[in-house]
Amino acid sequence: GAVVSQHPSWVICKSGTSVKIECRSLDFQATTMFWYRQFPKQSLMLMATSNEGSKATYEQGVEKDKFLINHASLTLSTLTVTSAHPEDSSFYICSASGWDQPQHFGDGTRLSIL
Amino acid sequence: DQQVKQNSPSLSVQEGRISILNCDYTNSMFDYFLWYKKYPAEGPTFLISISSIKDKNEDGRFTVFLNKSAKHLSLHIVPSQPGDSAVYFCAARRSGGYQKVTFGTGTKLQVIP
Repeated sequence: GAVVSQHPSWVICKSGTSVKIECRSLDFQATTMFWYRQFPKQSLMLMATSNEGSKATYEQGVEKDKFLINHASLTLSTLTVTSAHPEDSSFYICSASGWDQPQHFGDGTRLSIL
Repeated sequence: DQQVKQNSPSLSVQEGRISILNCDYTNSMFDYFLWYKKYPAEGPTFLISISSIKDKNEDGRFTVFLNKSAKHLSLHIVPSQPGDSAVYFCAARRSGGYQKVTFGTGTKLQVIP
């Protein structure tokens, strides 16, 4: 069964809208979660590391103000794409793991900005 | 800088035969390696992993081999089944704690019935 749940699976919205994506760990407490982005036919690119109770750590080139990450509890992290534009359209995936364990991934969110 | 590389973007194998997917890495700090399977519009599914203290790990039809001196690992699937058709990602990280994972570019495997 799924150990990481991601919601919604698909979002279509107008340019300028902010979109929130939720990621929940179901079977364990995740102090750290990860957010990835995947473009068509490309690898998964790590965007940021989400730390429970503290600020996220962003990878180089990822805009902190554009991609807001909140990790309010040990089982929930959210990614908000603020003022989304067509170039933000992508497949966003979260992952979580227990201590020193393989990461388990959510099923991803396909974001389409019109 | 692609620290984890999968040089074959695609691979076709007959059902029942062996599938061999290759992966190379450049960062010598990596000491834990993983393989994930991914279908379109889904998140990756963890398959198998190996620590750098080992050179082989087996789980059912899946075996991962690690050659540390060559910074190379491979995933063997025997026998290959049509349901194995997917994109396979090699990944690497440092062991201990909550370490971020670096992914390869993926190899699309097609198993022909």
